[in-house]
Amino acid sequence: EAGVAQSPRYKIIEKRQSVAFWCNPISGHATLYWYQQILGQGPKLLIQFQNNGVVDDSQLPKDRFSAERLKGVDSTLKIQPAKLEDSAVYLCASSWRDPDTQYFGPGTRLTVL
Amino acid sequence: AQKITQTQPGMFVQEKEAVTLDCTYDTSDPSYGLFWYKQPSSGEMIFLIYQGSYDQQNATEGRYSLNFQKARKSANLVISASQLGDSAMYFCAMREGADSWGKLQFGAGTQVVVTP
Repeated sequence: EAGVAQSPRYKIIEKRQSVAFWCNPISGHATLYWYQQILGQGPKLLIQFQNNGVVDDSQLPKDRFSAERLKGVDSTLKIQPAKLEDSAVYLCASSWRDPDTQYFGPGTRLTVL
Repeated sequence: AQKITQTQPGMFVQEKEAVTLDCTYDTSDPSYGLFWYKQPSSGEMIFLIYQGSYDQQNATEGRYSLNFQKARKSANLVISASQLGDSAMYFCAMREGADSWGKLQFGAGTQVVVTP
C-alpha cells in the first residue's frame, strides 16, 4: 500500500513570495491533516479535512495560509505571502477516519530567506 | 498550557539496552488517546504505539511498550533491545475526546542516539 505522498520535498523562497505544497493521502483515507513543524518543536496542526470539508482550521493563519481539498483526495496548502517565521517542515497526514491513527508523509522543508 | 511534556531533550543508549522515554500529559477529558511517533532524520513521522484512556492493559507493539500510569498522567515509551536504527526523535502525542475531531497535540520530542 502506497504511503502519503508530498511534493516538493524542499523549497527555498524569498520572503513575500508565494509557495504551494501538494499532498496525496493513502487511498481510501477520508481524513487529511496539514501540520507545521518548526525546528526543535513537535508538529502543530494547521488544518484538518474530512473528505472535502474543513473540520478544524483554528490554528491556520488565514491571512496568509489557505488550503483546499476539492475532490476529497489530494490537497494543496498555500502560503501567500511568506514570512521568515514560516520556515518549517510541512507535514501531511491521513487517516481512514478520525480518530484513527494518522499516517504521515515525508514532509516539505520550507526555507524562507 | 502545555498539554504534553517530554522532559528529556536527548538521550544516549547503548545497543541492546532498553531505554525509557518520559511523557506526561494534561487533560480533564476522561476519554483520550496517547500516541508515540518516531521521526528519523529523513523527516517522516512513523506511528509506533497507541494507548486509549480506557484500555485496561498497557499497549505493546514488538519491541515497544507503553507504561501507562493514568493516575500520574504518564505514558512512558519503553524500547527494549535498542538497535542502531532506533536513533531518531521520538514524539509523544495526545488526542482529547472520544470519536471526536480532536486534534493531535505533540510534545517537543526526545532525541535518542543509539551507540554501538
